[in-house]
Amino acid sequence: DVKVTQSSRYLVKRTGEKVFLECVQDMDHENMFWYRQDPGLGLRLIYFSYDVKMKEKGDIPEGYSVSREKKERFSLILESASTNQTSMYLCASSLLQKLKLGASTDTQYFGPGTRLTVL
Amino acid sequence: GENVEQHPSTLSVQEGDSAVIKCTYSDSASNYFPWYKQELGKGPQLIIDIRSNVGEKKDQRIAVTLNKTAKHFSLHITETQPEDSAVYFCAASVTGNQFYFGTGTSLTVIP
Repeated sequence: DVKVTQSSRYLVKRTGEKVFLECVQDMDHENMFWYRQDPGLGLRLIYFSYDVKMKEKGDIPEGYSVSREKKERFSLILESASTNQTSMYLCASSLLQKLKLGASTDTQYFGPGTRLTVL
Repeated sequence: GENVEQHPSTLSVQEGDSAVIKCTYSDSASNYFPWYKQELGKGPQLIIDIRSNVGEKKDQRIAVTLNKTAKHFSLHITETQPEDSAVYFCAASVTGNQFYFGTGTSLTVIP
């Protein structure tokens, strides 16, 4: 079974603090993702990474940065936390699959989430 | 970019009845459509998926249908049970790496 773990289930921080959210996957997946989940908005992609030291901006990267120094680990960084970053943060990973006809699709596997509250 | 709409946002059914959740997408290049179930306090878990080269897929009480022409796909749960109560998300993948999610459907199965 694919296992994606996140360092904290619940986190409370103060405005202006630097926050690190860690994600580790144990299936040698190339792709890793960070989403935030808010009521009525679904899941929104913050950043993703195709490989070590590579990163791509998602739909809402402002206020966040990421780090991928090792294949199994993908970190989300809030340089100066703000109250509007209070949310559920979900990490996911996926393995690029090549189908017989050459198309490629992915199945994403999610971690349990980190509920971050910024006071 | 891709836009995925999901309906309804909430759904209540009696135990044993069927539940249907519908999603539409905008980009005809989307070729992979997973469905996720998220229970309270947990991350989303993949329950079924369908690729653009098939029209229907079934796994026990769960089925997904895809209409590429109309650009919509649906999740069908038959003989619902209380443990089916959760939030369900649909998603569409255009590139194979980036996913676009619906806003979720909160399903309640009433015993």
